[in-house]
This record gives sequence, structure tokens and C-alpha cells, in this order.
Amino acid sequence: GAGVSQTPSNKVTEKGKYVELRCDPISGHTALYWYRQSLGQGPEFLIYFQGTGAADDSGLPNDRFFAVRPEGSVSTLKIQRTERGDSAVYLCASSSGQLNTGELFFGEGSRLTVL
Amino acid sequence: GNSVTQMEGPVTLSEEAFLTINCTYTATGYPSLFWYVQYPGEGLQLLLKATKADDKGSNKGFEATYRKETTSFHLEKGSVQVSDSAVYFCALSRTSSNTGKLIFGQGTTLQVKP
Repeated sequence: GAGVSQTPSNKVTEKGKYVELRCDPISGHTALYWYRQSLGQGPEFLIYFQGTGAADDSGLPNDRFFAVRPEGSVSTLKIQRTERGDSAVYLCASSSGQLNTGELFFGEGSRLTVL
Repeated sequence: GNSVTQMEGPVTLSEEAFLTINCTYTATGYPSLFWYVQYPGEGLQLLLKATKADDKGSNKGFEATYRKETTSFHLEKGSVQVSDSAVYFCALSRTSSNTGKLIFGQGTTLQVKP
């Protein structure tokens, strides 16, 4: 399809394990964003990529969270030593065009449950 | 800091009823304001936006006006349909230079009954 694709759609893991979540943005979109949505809350900004570089990672909660986008397309969000509080839906979005007017296109999210 | 507050849900209406979902914000400067919608089983999608005071965003029969004096961006629709059932999120841009970095409200669930 032509939309933002996220895998896995659901991930259940145990406390302390390592997790990777993948995002495949819309082809040609240079800007990519990760958000986290806890139950009953709106999405919270985590990190933004322009091309291959992380232009703003100010939303990452701590150093257990890391994201990469090595070729400027697919991105992976990596969470080390997972904790129960990391349970949430992780949303990826991409955007093209002007950053000050652009629309975000979201994927359906990856639901992470840490037991 | 910047924040967005939406009315609590769920909001339950009959088809063809008038809809208002309240949204107020706190911000420094002049952020852009947005409404995003999430239909069941789908990703968030932009519904409408306004980039400066007194601007009115509109789409699919929905409207919202950027009110700087009341720091509000209430969503309205004159006649809702069952297909409008979804979760609605009000949001503002964290910076004027990048409207992808958003602060969202907690979302309001709308249920429209036939």
C-alpha cells in the first residue's frame, strides 16, 4: 500500500527485554516522526528525523530509547531493558513538503505490552 | 509550557445532531492549530488546520476557528453522520518552523447513533 506501515502491529515482551519497532514511511517523504500514545492519552512526540539524521530527539524519555534511520527511509525505534511503563502504542508518521505547513501521515501503530 | 485541553468523552449523538467538541490551548507565541481524527482500525489523519488567529479550517463539513482571545479551537459540525464516529484529537505545533512536532490533547471519542 501507499501509506505508512508499522511492524509488528502487536508486541508482547517481558520486563528487561530488548524490543525493536519498525516504520516504513510513505515513499519520498523526507521527514519521519515517532510518537508514543498511552491509554486514554493523546500522542506524545518522541523524535524527528530529517533524512538520515535525528534532527530533534528531545521527546525520548531516557537513554533506553534510541531510533535510527540509516538510509533515510525505514526507521527503527529501539527500546532496551523494557519496563512496564513502556507499554503503549508507538506511532510513526511521515511528512513531505514544507515543514511549517506540512501534514503528518500516521501509521496504525505498534502496540507494545511489557509484562 | 504549551498544552492542549479537550472536553471529556465519550460524546454520544443521534444522526443529524449538531456537534461541538471543545478545545482550549496554552502556548507561547502563535502556534498552528490542528484537528486530527482516528477512525476505527485506521491511523490518525489530519481533519483540518488553522495557522493564524481568526483563520477558519474546514473539511468534510467540520469547521474550527482559531480564537486567540479565548485561546480556543472548538470543532463543530452542523449534522453528524454515523460515519463520523471516531476519536478526535486537537493539537498545536510545538514550534512555528515544524508543524510535525505536535502537542496533542487527550482525545474525544464521538459515537453517532442512527
